[in-house]
Order: sequence, then C-alpha cells, then structure tokens
Amino acid sequence: QVTLKESGPVLVKPTESLTLTCTVSGFSLSNSRVGVSWIRQPPGKALEWLAHIFSTDETFYSASLKSRLTISKDTSKSQVVLTLTSVDPVDTATYYCARITVGWLVYMDVWGSGTTVTVSS
Amino acid sequence: EALLTQSPGTLSLSPGERATLSCRASQSVSTTYLAWYQQKPGQAPRLLIYGASRRATGIPDRFSGSGSGTDFTLTISRLEPEDFAVYYCLQYGDSAFTFGPGTKVDIK
Repeated sequence: QVTLKESGPVLVKPTESLTLTCTVSGFSLSNSRVGVSWIRQPPGKALEWLAHIFSTDETFYSASLKSRLTISKDTSKSQVVLTLTSVDPVDTATYYCARITVGWLVYMDVWGSGTTVTVSS
Repeated sequence: EALLTQSPGTLSLSPGERATLSCRASQSVSTTYLAWYQQKPGQAPRLLIYGASRRATGIPDRFSGSGSGTDFTLTISRLEPEDFAVYYCLQYGDSAFTFGPGTKVDIK
C-alpha cells in the first residue's frame, strides 16, 4: 500500500525557515517511474504546486517561490524534505506531498493527508 | 506554462442531476498531462481522472473526462450525495504543474 505522511512544525514565526518532511512507504524514491511533489492550500483557497523531485534528483520549482524553496530527498530514509525560507503569514496553509507517476502519462496519484502550518509571531 | 481557468466557480445542483465542469488552458495542454481531483472539506484531494479521460482506480463510472487542446470537461452523469465537493483540474507542462482555481459543486 502506497502512503505518504507529512510532518513538521505547526507554528512558525515570520522571517524564520519552515522545514517539512514527507515520509513515503509502499514505493521507492529510486524508482524512475515516480517523483514526489509538494503542494499547499491556504485556508479557503485553491491548491498551489510548490516543487517536485524525481529519482534522478532533478528538482523543479514554482517560478513565484523558486528563490525561497529547496526540495531534496533521502532515498535510504524514504523521505523528501521541503524548506521554505523567510516565511510570512501568507505562507499559512495546509501543506501536502503527493506521489507523481511519471511516464507517457504524468499525474499526482497518491496524496498525504496534509500538515497545517501557521505563520504568526 | 499554461494557466488554467475553471467554470463555473460554483455549480448548484440536486442529487441525480448531471454536472458539467469546464477547465480551460491558456495554451494547449497534452491530454496525457491533464488530471482532475475531488476535494472534500478537511480532506486531501483525491485523483478522479488522469490522461484527460482515464478513470483512476476505484472511481465510479458516473465520472468521465473529455477534451483536448485547451478545453477539458469533467462530467458527473448523476450526482450522488457524496459527490458534492470542490473539483480541481491539474496540468503538467514545461516541467511545472498548474492547478485550476476549482469548481464547487453544492446542493441546490
């Protein structure tokens, strides 16, 4: 069974960095047919893609947040880590990680349940 | 990368009615890179349709997807009570993903 689970702080102060971890099971991060993406959703708003990483360690970022984001993975630990620097209250959101199926079709098929982060002093 | 718009913003229908949701892209999107998701309050999105028209595992056949180029449609043939939710389209292009703003299907 494929599962993803997000973890990280519930509360972060403005200007600090936010580090989130996605721990996966049921598949390997070394599988060339998968990747992992981070997505966020501010309260009452739409989904926003942030970044993704493939088995080759290739990384891709949202253009609007690229300067503040870093995504990496530790295959041996089955973890994907996202860091967002210089957070602001507008970064308050539920953060999800999702598995990407890669091939001639590309889509996010399995999602974690999300972790809610509040940015406030 | 393509920007996505969804219409209508809100669709008010009764159980048993047909729902037609639109997703329009600012530039052509490959059908192999277009997906639809359902999200209920307090839950993560659930994959419904991928490759524009392929139902995900376990998705009832009342859900169908169609379209190509810049215009895509999600159809729910007969709304069940559990179908009232927000629906998002997602596209992949130029190594980036884009979500549409969502369509809320609520009970009339």
